[in-house]
Amino acid sequence: AQKVTQAQTEISVVEKEDVTLDCVYETRDTTYYLFWYKQPPSGELVFLIRRNSFDEQNEISGRYSWNFQKSTSSFNFTITASQVVDSAVYFCALSEYSGGGADGLTFGKGTHLIIQP
Amino acid sequence: DGGITQSPKYLFRKEGQNVTLSCEQNLNHDAMYWYRQDPGQGLRLIYYSQIVNDFQKGDIAEGYSVSREKKESFPLTVTSAQKNPTAFYLCASSIQRMAKNIQYFGAGTRLSVL
Repeated sequence: AQKVTQAQTEISVVEKEDVTLDCVYETRDTTYYLFWYKQPPSGELVFLIRRNSFDEQNEISGRYSWNFQKSTSSFNFTITASQVVDSAVYFCALSEYSGGGADGLTFGKGTHLIIQP
Repeated sequence: DGGITQSPKYLFRKEGQNVTLSCEQNLNHDAMYWYRQDPGQGLRLIYYSQIVNDFQKGDIAEGYSVSREKKESFPLTVTSAQKNPTAFYLCASSIQRMAKNIQYFGAGTRLSVL
């Protein structure tokens, strides 16, 4: 069965520091999709990025970047020059192709990121 | 604006009572999902539906029921059989029930037991 592990329960940094959120996944499928979501205090999950298992290119979007490494089954998320508005819980999630999405998304337990001014 | 609307934002349940959480979407999505989130935990799938009048159990369906009479609506009923209903409930939708499709979420309903 698929599994997502976010070992960092909580991270606290001072504004403008860089911070990396770790995500390790387990799956027996060769085709799968990885996602990152942000959950601000309001509670709604906000989609950040999707990556399929055949695309190992790193991606950068503004201050956000993602490092996907199949060799280590990791999909880490880095925020550069963090800001107070980045404070939120961040979830990594996995969806397997063979399940057709039938199992929905398998989520990690989330990392609570606190950016101190 | 297109999106997913969940109501109410807060809900209280008395012992032995059934309560229904509303989820409406105007994104014209076929697939809809219900997740439960407990403090410090990830989201767990309760039920999902890929088309009108069809729905399937997720990992933790016991004590819950759903219906899908309209494409736009996917209400969740928390029955008295659910012994630990206090949680944050999130509804999501995607274009179709496929692994690659992005799921978009509502703002959630926080359910507490009186």
